[in-house]
Amino acid sequence: DAKTTQPPSMDCAEGRAANLPCNHSTISGNEYVYWYRQIHSQGPQYIIHGLKNNETNEMASLIITEDRKSSTLILPHATLRDTAVYYCIVRVPGGTGANNLFFGTGTRLTVIP
Amino acid sequence: DAGVIQSPRHEVTEMGQEVTLRCKPISGHNSLFWYRQTMMRGLELLIYFNNNVPIDDSGMPEDRFSAKMPNASFSTLKIQPSEPRDSAVYFCASVVAGGTDTQYFGPGTRLTVL
Repeated sequence: DAKTTQPPSMDCAEGRAANLPCNHSTISGNEYVYWYRQIHSQGPQYIIHGLKNNETNEMASLIITEDRKSSTLILPHATLRDTAVYYCIVRVPGGTGANNLFFGTGTRLTVIP
Repeated sequence: DAGVIQSPRHEVTEMGQEVTLRCKPISGHNSLFWYRQTMMRGLELLIYFNNNVPIDDSGMPEDRFSAKMPNASFSTLKIQPSEPRDSAVYFCASVVAGGTDTQYFGPGTRLTVL
């Protein structure tokens, strides 16, 4: 069962920031927001995760709204290599059950030269 | 670290044949996951193991599918007999306990059943 809603596709100009939204209005208090991406023909790759505070690492920033019902993944300077499908997942770390590991259909980001 | 290793990378077989997919998780990781990805259904969790013990196999499509993890460094996913609808990319992922619960995925096995 989908716990998240993402737009099916987005375009972004190379060098510009890519902002990928995710709605998770039914998120529970102990569920984290994880982002993965899958470049064509490769396995999914972890990007970032957070609970309620904004997070930043060398790949991206994660902005979570105060009510935690939505979040945005930001790629500050998109490159052609960032073209991929991006998955937003909510789950309890270490939790059991297939519903705790539901990837959905993600957002296909295309970075345009 | 070599990452998660899967073999074979590509497998073409005929309907009715037995297929065995293999996965070596990252050393020190104690959870292992098998996923299947198709265009129609996306990425689906089939089964996962904690400390070599199957925890949830509710995603396994039917009795033709079976998975084992005889030790911490090896797992297999077997399909017997295989059918054309089993054609997909099968991914294995591993996680280290007590960390950020980040899943590290292998490169996948592309299975084609004719």
